[in-house]
Amino acid sequence: KQEVTQIPAALSVPEGENLVLNCSFTDSAIYNLQWFRQDPGKGLTSLLLIQSSQREQTSGRLNASLDKSSGRSTLYIAASQPGDSATYLCAVNAGGGNKLTFGTGTQLKVEL
Amino acid sequence: EAQVTQNPRYLITVTGKKLTVTCSQNMNHEYMSWYRQDPGLGLRQIYYSMNVEVTDKGDVPEGYKVSRKEKRNFPLILESPSPNQTSLYFCASSSLGRGTEAFFGQGTRLTVV
Repeated sequence: KQEVTQIPAALSVPEGENLVLNCSFTDSAIYNLQWFRQDPGKGLTSLLLIQSSQREQTSGRLNASLDKSSGRSTLYIAASQPGDSATYLCAVNAGGGNKLTFGTGTQLKVEL
Repeated sequence: EAQVTQNPRYLITVTGKKLTVTCSQNMNHEYMSWYRQDPGLGLRQIYYSMNVEVTDKGDVPEGYKVSRKEKRNFPLILESPSPNQTSLYFCASSSLGRGTEAFFGQGTRLTVV
């Protein structure tokens, strides 16, 4: 059974810092991995989607990497801003239709 | 604009009173699913549908029903809600096939008292 773990559960950093969020999964037979952002009272916003054949994806200040063999992904956020404060979720699609298995998230706070 | 729309966003109800949460997508996606999100447990899949009239159970289907009469709509039905169904619910859609991107609705916060 696929399990997804995100460490740390919470993170507080000063504005301007570069930071890394971690995601690990137990079964490396995945189709893709998706990073989401969740703001309080709002839905899930897709940030980056990495296919199983890819090593990384970039969007603006965000860079996500994928190492399937070790069951790890990282989300790198450059020059963090207070507006980046949110919960970040990773999810893997490992078959069974398009079912996603989610981690429990990292709650990020970027302080002025 | 491509989107998944859920209604209502917030709902407070009493134990045993049937309710329906609607979900609609405008991307012509075949695959739709429902998740619930609980503190410490993350998002867990309740039911999914791979096309019209094709539905199946996810990981936590007890106490829920779904239907897929039209491609764009996938309502979640709670016939007799109980307090343990108090949760944040998300509807999602995607194209069928490996490696497709999932799109999520804004969520419905349900409280059963």
